[in-house]
Amino acid sequence: GAVVSQHPSWVICKSGTSVKIECRSLDFQATTMFWYRQFPKQSLMLMATSNEGSKATYEQGVEKDKFLINHASLTLSTLTVTSAHPEDSSFYICSARVGGGTGNTIYFGEGSWLTVV
Amino acid sequence: QKEVEQNSGPLSVPEGAIASLNCTYSDRGSQSFFWYRQYSGKSPELIMFIYSNGDKEDGRFTAQLNKASQYVSLLIRDSQPSDSATYLCAVRSGSARQLTFGSGTQLTVLP
Repeated sequence: GAVVSQHPSWVICKSGTSVKIECRSLDFQATTMFWYRQFPKQSLMLMATSNEGSKATYEQGVEKDKFLINHASLTLSTLTVTSAHPEDSSFYICSARVGGGTGNTIYFGEGSWLTVV
Repeated sequence: QKEVEQNSGPLSVPEGAIASLNCTYSDRGSQSFFWYRQYSGKSPELIMFIYSNGDKEDGRFTAQLNKASQYVSLLIRDSQPSDSATYLCAVRSGSARQLTFGSGTQLTVLP
């Protein structure tokens, strides 16, 4: 399957600082990427849809000024958690869509564990 | 009613048995159906996708789709302890770009 790489795999930051997570499609171009958050023992929660060259589309309840998404190229989307707080500690996962129409498939990155202390 | 529903489990089966995982969805316009496996602390990995009614087999895995009844299932034959994980059902409706995920079913295969 297609390869989606996420970096860093885990990060610890101090409360009030910002953290950037990168999501790269390694062997294909991704016009659309998705960012999810998953708390322990809970299901995936879609945060936003990242569109190359345009603004991200955020799900209801997700603060766009806190979770900045940039999709500047067809192979890279970044999520920046600004002014992080301990409640932002979670597993953040990106995914990318491969193919078009109804035949497209979504592959996930390895995920990034964020701990805010 | 949730858009995609799965029994949360846990579902336990003995090694070598068939594990059956079920998923129902509410949107009749759904066209694409996916099964992902997620090990604890890891991100989901795609197991199979199915678009047409009927069965689709890949190794020990068989996906079954019944659009009239709005359910999709995943059978795992000859279950192994390494199959122990949470299995996520995902559905895409029509022209939607994103997937809607179920809450997942936790499977434990007992040695």
